[in-house]
Amino acid sequence: SQKIEQNSEALNIQEGKTATLTCNYTNYSPAYLQWYRQDPGRGPVFLLLIRENEKEKRKERLKVTFDTTLKQSLFHITASQPADSATYLCAPLNQAGTALIFGKGTTLSVSS
Amino acid sequence: NAGVTQTPKFRVLKTGQSMTLLCAQDMNHEYMYWYRQDPGMGLRLIHYSVGEGTTAKGEVPDGYNVSRLKKQNFLLGLESAAPSQTSVYFCASRPSGQGVTEAFFGQGTRLTVV
Repeated sequence: SQKIEQNSEALNIQEGKTATLTCNYTNYSPAYLQWYRQDPGRGPVFLLLIRENEKEKRKERLKVTFDTTLKQSLFHITASQPADSATYLCAPLNQAGTALIFGKGTTLSVSS
Repeated sequence: NAGVTQTPKFRVLKTGQSMTLLCAQDMNHEYMYWYRQDPGMGLRLIHYSVGEGTTAKGEVPDGYNVSRLKKQNFLLGLESAAPSQTSVYFCASRPSGQGVTEAFFGQGTRLTVV
């Protein structure tokens, strides 16, 4: 069955460092991969999309990579800030892109 | 635009009672989704719909039914609530367009079954 794994449930880093979150998938051949941010008590908010033919995508301090050989996406936040503290979710989608299934998420805590 | 609105925001049910959660979106989106979120389990897809009159099962459909009679509304029903259905429920909608369209989420419904 299809499986999505995000590297760890919690990641603690110091302000100013780069946070790297991992999304691994098995029994999937996604054509797209989306990343969302979720704050406590709120619904997820879309951050970035990367396509299978794109190796890297950037948006301000965010960078996403997509390696279809390794079946992995990496999500980087550079110069992290306490305001970046949240849970980050990945969602690989197949070509049809209808079912939107998420990994369990990684909770990032950035301390000042 | 209100976006995605879930009704109610909180509810306490007794075991065996039934209820319907309403999700309404005003963005003319084709796709709509219902999720439940439990500590340590992440966001799990219950059912989804790719258009008016259509529904499909997600990862954890048992114990729930859905209906999409109007494009803007997606209803989630619990026929006989169980304590295991205590959770936070989120609804989302997306435009059609394969995987490139982002999902917009409601504010969640916190349901407790006692």
